[in-house]
Amino acid sequence: SQKIEQNSEALNIQEGKTATLTCNYTNYSPAYLQWYRQDPGRGPVFLLLIRENEKEKRKERLKVTFDTTLKQSLFHITASQPADSATYLCALDLGSSNTGKLIFGQGTTLQVKP
Amino acid sequence: DAMVIQNPRYQVTQFGKPVTLSCSQTLNHNVMYWYQQKSSQAPKLLFHYYDKDFNNEADTPDNFQSRRPNTSFCFLDIRSPGLGDAAMYLCATSGGLARHTDTQYFGPGTRLTVL
Repeated sequence: SQKIEQNSEALNIQEGKTATLTCNYTNYSPAYLQWYRQDPGRGPVFLLLIRENEKEKRKERLKVTFDTTLKQSLFHITASQPADSATYLCALDLGSSNTGKLIFGQGTTLQVKP
Repeated sequence: DAMVIQNPRYQVTQFGKPVTLSCSQTLNHNVMYWYQQKSSQAPKLLFHYYDKDFNNEADTPDNFQSRRPNTSFCFLDIRSPGLGDAAMYLCATSGGLARHTDTQYFGPGTRLTVL
């Protein structure tokens, strides 16, 4: 069956450390993979997109890797801050149509302690 | 600022009483989506419109309907809400024009409570 898995347990780290979140998928062949941030009671906000032929993408303190052989994406936040505390969702774009339909993981909650 | 707006932010309805949630956008995007998200779960796509073309997900219950009268507005109708329909309902848009820019822009969501 098709699955997207993110760590359901919250990730607790100390301010200044690097947070690493994992997204694994099975029986999908995504053309793109996206990461979103969601704060409690709010809609997700887009962070980064990575294509299947890209290994790594960076934006400020954020870095995403995409390994289509392992069927895994890693999302890193360097020099983490308490303001980074949120739930982070990965989403697969199968690229099968122009409508950009996404399939979301359930998200991992990150808590950064001062 | 261009944005996606959802009204109301909180909606309380009674079991079986029809309810309509609304979404509007000032981004002039072609595609509008409706998601259902329950606590600690992934947003689940219910349906989406590409312009006027309606695309229903195979597992979306018939109880859920949608209307898109124009580019800016999209509505989610729940004909007979059950207790299991209590959730956050998220509206999102995307340009639908170029694959590499098809990220989604979400509204703040409507929290639906069914009594």
